[in-house]
Amino acid sequence: QLQLQESGPGLVKPSETLSLTCTVSGGSIRSSGYYWAWIRQPPGKGLEWIGNIYYSGNTYYNPSLKSRITISVDTSKNQFSLKLSSVTAADTAVYYCARLWGGTRPWYFDYWGQGTLVTVSS
Amino acid sequence: DIQLTQSPSFLSASVGDRVTITCRASQVISTYLAWYQQKPGKAPKLLIYAASTLQSGVPSRFSGSGSGTEFTLTISSLQPEDFATYYCQQLNSYPWTFGQGTKVEVK
Repeated sequence: QLQLQESGPGLVKPSETLSLTCTVSGGSIRSSGYYWAWIRQPPGKGLEWIGNIYYSGNTYYNPSLKSRITISVDTSKNQFSLKLSSVTAADTAVYYCARLWGGTRPWYFDYWGQGTLVTVSS
Repeated sequence: DIQLTQSPSFLSASVGDRVTITCRASQVISTYLAWYQQKPGKAPKLLIYAASTLQSGVPSRFSGSGSGTEFTLTISSLQPEDFATYYCQQLNSYPWTFGQGTKVEVK
């Protein structure tokens, strides 16, 4: 059974960089057709797609965040990571990692991590 | 960006009720729409993709329909475990977007 687990600091200071890692177990991050994604959810609010990465390193970012985000992959560790720079209180959210079927359409997110709350505060 | 508007935002229902949630897209998205269920403190769970394809393991009381700009999620007979928030998501074009959610509450 595929499992995804987010890890990283739960508290980040304003203007600093948020860094999270998602560890994939029970399957390979190099699986053909599958992308790896980050989605976030501010407390009490809806979901926002942040971006995707393929194991080859190809990325797709939400334009609203593109100038501040970097998603990378480490196939040797079966992990992928998110960096979000210059954070403000508006970046406080539960951050989810997820698997995306991105091969032949239709696409969908079929496995999700449990989520990790990141609070931006001094 | 493609906007998704769900209606209603809140819905009160009883066990056994038939429940229908609508998702309207601001542009044509073919059938590239997914539905997720989210319970408090938990990650979203995929219910339906491609507008009407039931994800493996999801009970058959859930069904989806629609194409173009209007979509529906139907629960044929609401069960106690179905009280949750439901989100639609379009995967037709970047940036992928979600509806604002529909919370199904106990009447």
